[in-house]
Amino acid sequence: GAGVSQSPSNKVTEKGKDVELRCDPISGHTALYWYRQRLGQGLEFLIYFQGNSAPDKSGLPSDRFSAERTGESVSTLTIQRTQQEDSAVYLCASSLAPIWDSGANVLTFGAGSRLTVL
Amino acid sequence: GENVGLHLPTLSVQEGDNSIINCAYSNSASDYFIWYKQESGKGPQFIIDIRSNMDKRQGQRVTVLLNKTVKHLSLQIAATQPGDSAVYFCAENSGGSNYKLTFGKGTLLTVNP
Repeated sequence: GAGVSQSPSNKVTEKGKDVELRCDPISGHTALYWYRQRLGQGLEFLIYFQGNSAPDKSGLPSDRFSAERTGESVSTLTIQRTQQEDSAVYLCASSLAPIWDSGANVLTFGAGSRLTVL
Repeated sequence: GENVGLHLPTLSVQEGDNSIINCAYSNSASDYFIWYKQESGKGPQFIIDIRSNMDKRQGQRVTVLLNKTVKHLSLQIAATQPGDSAVYFCAENSGGSNYKLTFGKGTLLTVNP
């Protein structure tokens, strides 16, 4: 596609429910990232995929968070047993290659999925 | 640890003036820096980047300055326009990482007509 697509754009859920957030990266982009942005805050790294593998999951806040990527394309971020502190915008980004390869290979972000846990 | 922060959380300027947004970083091993612009309800958008072997880089109406001695980064926007109103984030490649960006908290720029 022309850009990074994320769905849903907004999700309201009750505490304790599971949610799935989807990311469709730019076609051909091998690197995919998930970031979390709390209200009025910067971006917090969650996980990095190179292809379908996740060499860095260090930012996932707890074992309630997981992510997978298939076909070197779509990625799904799953949050189990949601808590109110999970409320945030979850941003996905993709790039042609790891960022050091070239200044042109910067991260392109989607518009995010806004999650509200009641 | 890594710390990318901003001196000013908010900045208000008059249309037509130049804007300067500052950023401090603490990891001297970081060697790649990016500025992103985030408009309300949208994802961050790339503005300009700079590598540590440079101290200045210019784009269209924007200039990024890097001072490695004091670990300081700035974004200059010339002739600021209402469309420049947004939150601006600096980011560093986490101590020289080849894939991971660490973002600062952001500066809200408001342009007054």
